Amino acid sequence: DTTVKQNPRYKLARVGKPVNLICSQTMNHDTMYWYQKKPNQAPKLLLFYYDKILNREADTFEKFQSSRPNNSFCSLYIGSAGLEYSAMYLCASSRTGGVFAETLYFGSGTRLTVL
Amino acid sequence: SQWGEENLQALSIQEGEDVTMNCSYKTYTTVVQWYRQKSGKGPAQLILIRSNEREKRSGRLRATLDTSSQSSSLSITGTLATDTAVYFCASMSNYNVLYFGSGTKLTVEP
Repeated sequence: DTTVKQNPRYKLARVGKPVNLICSQTMNHDTMYWYQKKPNQAPKLLLFYYDKILNREADTFEKFQSSRPNNSFCSLYIGSAGLEYSAMYLCASSRTGGVFAETLYFGSGTRLTVL
Repeated sequence: SQWGEENLQALSIQEGEDVTMNCSYKTYTTVVQWYRQKSGKGPAQLILIRSNEREKRSGRLRATLDTSSQSSSLSITGTLATDTAVYFCASMSNYNVLYFGSGTKLTVEP
């Protein structure tokens, strides 16, 4: 099973309020990623966890936080949502080493609308 | 830095036609991947080509890689309406981190 699950599928948030998105995978992958995708643009990497180590991209460092309480789950946290956070958020996972090490498996995404 | 801020190109063709989509990547990489994203789904890997390969085939797909110009192409022969999707190329850093490049929104009319 190569499924990455994201909840919820759609989320509405108010400006200034926090947002928490959830992702899970059962493939025992050691790396999990979060991407932001806006309409008509390519997905943009926000951060990733390699095992328990969080790596955040420099230009989004202060805007997003994440936690990974165990190997299967990863969350994306926005402390204070702004209108510019409206986007599709994609979670992905991969396994380092082995034949399919470079393949990322994506969830179907959570569409966040900030009002 | 990433280059996900570029807008998608749009391409519309008739079923049965062949199509070639191009992309360029800005950072050194040893692996270029092509992903397809259908409506309501996350991206799914189609094909992976390494820096020591100039061409890779998989069914109706053919990917090329030119490391000197840092460019890649994806060709689909005999397109089907089900090929309608957005296609992205992506380069992988040394740390297994995937950065997406430019994309093409392909519409195949039946």
